[in-house]
Amino acid sequence: NAGVMQNPRHLVRRRGQEARLRCSPMKGHSHVYWYRQLPEEGLKFMVYLQKENIIDESGMPKERFSAEFPKEGPSILRIQQVVRGDSAAYFCASSPEGAGIHEQYFGPGTRLTVT
Amino acid sequence: AQSVTQLDSQVPVFEEAPVELRCNYSSSVSVYLFWYVQYPNQGLQLLLKYLSGSTLVKGINGFEAEFNKSQTSFHLRKPSVHISDTAEYFCAVRFPYGKLTFGQGTILTVHP
Repeated sequence: NAGVMQNPRHLVRRRGQEARLRCSPMKGHSHVYWYRQLPEEGLKFMVYLQKENIIDESGMPKERFSAEFPKEGPSILRIQQVVRGDSAAYFCASSPEGAGIHEQYFGPGTRLTVT
Repeated sequence: AQSVTQLDSQVPVFEEAPVELRCNYSSSVSVYLFWYVQYPNQGLQLLLKYLSGSTLVKGINGFEAEFNKSQTSFHLRKPSVHISDTAEYFCAVRFPYGKLTFGQGTILTVHP
């Protein structure tokens, strides 16, 4: 069973460009979470999605950031008009339905560098 | 609101020595507790979790943690560390459903 997959692993964008980060959850998992790890700030929750629904977006910046988890395909975290402060590692995690929902399995992350 | 405090940002230790990484949490309701490990440039790997039941939880790689409700603590321990345990360790709490709230992390460095 393949783990959580994220691509790209490294992404370089110039200020003002758009960044799209993809996350394919583990097979059978329908819950996806996005976290951001900023230097010196630790891991912070951004958004929690189920298929086609945003459950909790309390950690998402109000502007430029959006996330989706369509019925088919990976979850996408989209950052418009990136700024230097968006440089960070972005991690996706997934969990299944039922008792296993309490465990979140993390992907390897996408390291975004804004130049 | 819930919060997590990891009391030590860095812990140096010699190989084969015991180690304890401290974690305290704050929450007005019952939470689930987790320890994750992150090796350089990698994602997070679950070490162990406390959901209910026995307060002493055993995880992978010889780690264990004890849930202490009265002290709101969930300290991670290992009786004898190896060089390969060098990594960053994160304590996290969670309501029964939803997001994880992480501590700031503790960098464990094991010296030969």
